[in-house]
Amino acid sequence: QVQLVESGGGVVQPGRSLRLSCAASGFTFSSYAMHWVRQAPGKGLEWVAVISYDGSNKYYADSVKGRFTISRDNSKNTLYLQMNSLRAEDTAVYYCARGNFGGVIVDDAFDIWGQGTMVTVSS
Amino acid sequence: QSVLTQPPSASGTPGQRVTISCSGSSSNIGSNTVNWYQQLPGTAPKLLIYSNNQRPSGVPDRFSGSKSGTSASLAISGLQSEDEADYYCAAWDDSLNVVVFGGGTKLTVL
Repeated sequence: QVQLVESGGGVVQPGRSLRLSCAASGFTFSSYAMHWVRQAPGKGLEWVAVISYDGSNKYYADSVKGRFTISRDNSKNTLYLQMNSLRAEDTAVYYCARGNFGGVIVDDAFDIWGQGTMVTVSS
Repeated sequence: QSVLTQPPSASGTPGQRVTISCSGSSSNIGSNTVNWYQQLPGTAPKLLIYSNNQRPSGVPDRFSGSKSGTSASLAISGLQSEDEADYYCAAWDDSLNVVVFGGGTKLTVL
């Protein structure tokens, strides 16, 4: 079935790095833009980044620009989020989500979500 | 503070109709489509409405969306206890080049 499974979360000290992965299955991964969305404990949803189907276009939230890098390996059906210079405010559940129904990134809706992976930034 | 504004809470009794608003600006809702997500406690969000008023397969027709100018609304008719959840609106913002979410509305079924 159509599925996204995140991994790579954990506890990390401020200033350190972490790489999240999102394994896709059940659909043609290389045909869809992919997004990362996060949710701090007890807070609302915050969009983090998007990458186009072929990796040629990437956009980031201001809060992570210059520190996070989104990438994908279509041969492995996997999405990544490299997170550097982590801060306490990056503590959140990180979800990967498939963009669909839009035709273009600006009209994307997130129709498939992973279960999320928790990232805790603490000394 | 979220770019899209939603009421923090809403409530209704079973069978009632409830509406949740989402207010934005010309650079987001005014220019692009609005999507709505439902998040049940302890679970990942789920797409409820896309392209302002379209329901994905499997979403009951009790849920409907609309957009006018720089505002959008989610309506839930025939309210059921299982509708108790957090609801979020979202849209692309052309000025910021990001997806913006509303702060979320916690729906309580009394």
